[in-house]
Amino acid sequence: QVQLVQSGAEVKKPGASVKVSCKASGDTFTGYYLHWVRQAPGQGLEWMGWINPNSGGTNYAQKFQGRVTMTRDTSISTAYMELSRLRSDDTAVYYCAEETVTNEGMDVWGQGTTVAVSS
Amino acid sequence: DIQLTQSPSFLSASVGDRVTITCRASQGINNYLAWYQQKPGKAPKLLIYAASTLQSGVPSRFSGSGSGTEFTLTISSLQPEDFATYYCQQLNSYPFTFGQGTKLEI
Repeated sequence: QVQLVQSGAEVKKPGASVKVSCKASGDTFTGYYLHWVRQAPGQGLEWMGWINPNSGGTNYAQKFQGRVTMTRDTSISTAYMELSRLRSDDTAVYYCAEETVTNEGMDVWGQGTTVAVSS
Repeated sequence: DIQLTQSPSFLSASVGDRVTITCRASQGINNYLAWYQQKPGKAPKLLIYAASTLQSGVPSRFSGSGSGTEFTLTISSLQPEDFATYYCQQLNSYPFTFGQGTKLEI
């Protein structure tokens, strides 16, 4: 089964951008949709969108449209989530997660990447 | 967007108890509902998908039921490792919303 390993913690200033990576190993990277979910401190889970690693197609939550970009590099089995124009309320743990079977939930998760936005 | 409302938000229970968490959707979601368990500092773990199908490797004390707009997660006999926060998620339509969570504590 695939394992997802994310990049390390980031500290950014308001207005900056952050790019988080998610490297897959152990299975076919292009076989499954790759989602991004975030969790603000002490809060619940928030779905941000997905990327189809095979086609590069994306689907973003409307809340993040215009600020988020999800990409992938199939040569190194890595997906990326870039969030721009950061605000303090973007401070959160960002997770990548794989949906192995459509509509059956996210069954493989990365370990999470903490992004702190502070002036 | 489809809203998911979990109840209760907090649940105090003891080892061996049977507990039920409810997730209500603001509209029908064709049973495309998943349940996750999350422990502090860890990523969520998929427990149940398609409302009632147990994910591989998840203990059989966990079960899911429901249809339409009302769903439940039941833990038949609480074990110490079950104290965590539980989330439901709908995968019927975008955005794939989560419930607000239910914290299960001793």
